[in-house]
Amino acid sequence: GAVVSQHPSRVICKSGTSVKIECRSLDFQATTMFWYRQFPKKSLMLMATSNEGSKATYEQGVEKDKFLINHASLTLSTLTVTSAHPEDSSFYICSARDSRGVEKLFFGSGTQLSVL
Amino acid sequence: KQEVTQIPAALSVPEGENLVLNCSFTDSAIYNLQWFRQDPGKGLTSLLLIQSSQREQTSGRLNASLDKSSGRSTLYIAASQPGDSATYLCAVPTAGGTSYGKLTFGQGTILTVHP
Repeated sequence: GAVVSQHPSRVICKSGTSVKIECRSLDFQATTMFWYRQFPKKSLMLMATSNEGSKATYEQGVEKDKFLINHASLTLSTLTVTSAHPEDSSFYICSARDSRGVEKLFFGSGTQLSVL
Repeated sequence: KQEVTQIPAALSVPEGENLVLNCSFTDSAIYNLQWFRQDPGKGLTSLLLIQSSQREQTSGRLNASLDKSSGRSTLYIAASQPGDSATYLCAVPTAGGTSYGKLTFGQGTILTVHP
C-alpha cells in the first residue's frame, strides 16, 4: 500500500531554534498534503493544507509565520517550526492524498517535538 | 461546525471479547467516514473507509457500520487480541461534506486487551 515517510520521528531542541519536519510520499504523487498537530491525550487538529507549487492554506488560529510550509515537489512537503517555544512541543503528523483521487488518506509516522 | 465524539474514552477487556466502539458526528452531510488505529507515539493507520452510500465495511475481524441520518458509526472488533491494543479514531471530512482530505477527528477510544 501507499507509504508516507515522515522525518525526524523525534526531535529535542532549545527554545528559539527552528525545526524542519519532512513528509514524503514514497510511491505516489501528492499534490495536497495536510499537517496535523496532536496534544497528549487529545485528538488531531488540522493545522494547514499544503499545496504543491502554491501557498499553504492555514486553519484559523494557526500562525503562518511560525509554521512555515513548503510543498516544492509532488512528493515532498516540509513544515518548519520557527523560533520554537516550549508551547510548540507536540506531536506533528502529516498526511497525503494520492493525486489520482483515491479516497483514503495516508499518514506519516509522526514527529514528537520537545522544546526545552 | 462538525464535531465528532467517541465513546467510550477508554476500554479494557480480556482477550477474546467482542467489542463495540462508538462514534457520533453532528453534521450528517458527510461524504465518508474513516476509522483509524494509532499506536502510542506513532502515526495513523487507516482501518476502514465507509462511503456515505454504504452501510458497512468489513476487513478481517473488523466491521464498521454507518448510520448517516442519525450521525453514528460503530466499529465492531471480533475476538479481540492483545495486539489490538491501541487508540482508535474516527474521522469525517471537515467542510462541505467533501472527501477533499481535511478531516475532523474524534478524541479516540483507548483500547487495552489483556491476555
